Amino acid sequence: DAGITQSPRHKVTETGTPVTLRCHQTENHRYMYWYRQDPGHGLRLIHYSYGVKDTDKGEVSDGYSVSRSKTEDFLLTLESATSSQTSVYFCASSPFAGSSYNEQFFGPGTRLTVL
Amino acid sequence: GQQVMQIPQYQHVQEGEDFTTYCNSSTTLSNIQWYKQRPGGHPVFLIQLVKSGEVKKQKRLTFQFGEAKKNSSLHITATQTTDVGTYFCAGHLTGTASKLTFGTGTRL
Repeated sequence: DAGITQSPRHKVTETGTPVTLRCHQTENHRYMYWYRQDPGHGLRLIHYSYGVKDTDKGEVSDGYSVSRSKTEDFLLTLESATSSQTSVYFCASSPFAGSSYNEQFFGPGTRLTVL
Repeated sequence: GQQVMQIPQYQHVQEGEDFTTYCNSSTTLSNIQWYKQRPGGHPVFLIQLVKSGEVKKQKRLTFQFGEAKKNSSLHITATQTTDVGTYFCAGHLTGTASKLTFGTGTRL
């Protein structure tokens, strides 16, 4: 597996508080992604990055923001957490290789509970 | 809404029985990838198919990509306890090389 770590691995927070999840990869991959996983929905893309300071929205981006100041780090922020954001969050990365479609390598996940 | 659906959502089989999961997209896919997620784990890439009608095998696993590039299937022969997990298909919708759209998953 690629060297992708996520922190924290578990977090419990209260509604209305800001939360930041961190993803760190040591593979020098250009692309990084944040997904949320909920029963019956599979993995849904929140935001992704195609380079330092280059990010774009996924299908469920409302209430989330991201930042990527270095190749290896991709941060996901919930500005004001809500109970509907209780989920398991996965970070993933993939290398850039021209027009090839590359597989994604996933981190271990962060289980977030919003009370 | 969800553009890539998988059926069934759950499948219980006895060890030694075969298993098949089907993946259907509402739009044409440039490729199809399959991932496996063990209970409590993270998704791990299994394989990628790119060509219309392509079939690939990995030991007891057979993967197919439909002729219209809108559906795919994963068939496992003689399941073992090590096959337990959730299987996801994922594809790049035509024109979206940067983003994978994941299916809803089938839990075996």
